[in-house]
Amino acid sequence: DGGITQSPKYLFRKEGQNVTLSCEQNLNHDAMYWYRQDPGQGLRLIYYSQIVNDFQKGDIAEGYSVSREKKESFPLTVTSAQKNPTAFYLCASSTPGTAGRSSYEQYFGPGTRLTVT
Amino acid sequence: DAKTTQPNSMESNEEEPVHLPCNHSTISGTDYIHWYRQLPSQGPEYVIHGLTSNVNNRMASLAIAEDRKSSTLILHRATLRDAAVYYCILSHIQGAQKLVFGQGTRLTINP
Repeated sequence: DGGITQSPKYLFRKEGQNVTLSCEQNLNHDAMYWYRQDPGQGLRLIYYSQIVNDFQKGDIAEGYSVSREKKESFPLTVTSAQKNPTAFYLCASSTPGTAGRSSYEQYFGPGTRLTVT
Repeated sequence: DAKTTQPNSMESNEEEPVHLPCNHSTISGTDYIHWYRQLPSQGPEYVIHGLTSNVNNRMASLAIAEDRKSSTLILHRATLRDAAVYYCILSHIQGAQKLVFGQGTRLTINP
C-alpha cells in the first residue's frame, strides 16, 4: 500500500544528543514536509522540500536540519541546539500545485513522539 | 499568511448534522480553503478543499460564503469516529503547500 512511514513511533534521548527521525514515502510525491506539534496546539512547519537536493526553512527551523538526497526520503535531525525538542513530529508529502491547480492534499505519516530528558 | 478563526470546541450528537464554522476575513484571491482533521495521537487527515464554489465529497461538504470571508464544514450525519480536531487552513495554489495550522475546533460527538 502507498503511504508515509515514520520510525520509530516513540523515541527517548538524553539532553545534548542529536537525534534523527526517519520519514519515507512511496507515493512518488515531489514535496515533503516536517511539522512539530506541542500538546494542545496546532502543527508548525519546520522544513519543507519541493524537489530532491533542495529544501527551505519553515517557521521554526532553528535547531533542526534536514536532507533530501532521495525523492522518497526526508530525514529530520533534531540537534542539541533545539531548546525544547520534546514534541510530536509529523512528516507529510504532496504533489506540488501547478498554475491553476492546488496540490490540495498533504498525506501525513503516523508521527514520532520524541521525549528528551 | 492569511489567518483563520475557529471556535475552540463544539459538541454534537451521533447521527445529527454538524456545522463547523471558519472565519477568514483576510483571504486573498489565490487562497484555497482546506479542511483537515486529526484524531488523537495520529497525523492529520485531509477532509475537503475549495476555492469559490461549494464542494461535496464522501466525507463532508464545504459551504463557502459569497465574499469568501467565511466557510462552513458540514458533516451530514456525525458518527463517533468523527470526533477529532478540525483545522481550517488557507493555502496558496502553487508550489509547495505550506499549511499553517491554528488550534482548530475540537469536535465531541455524544452517543
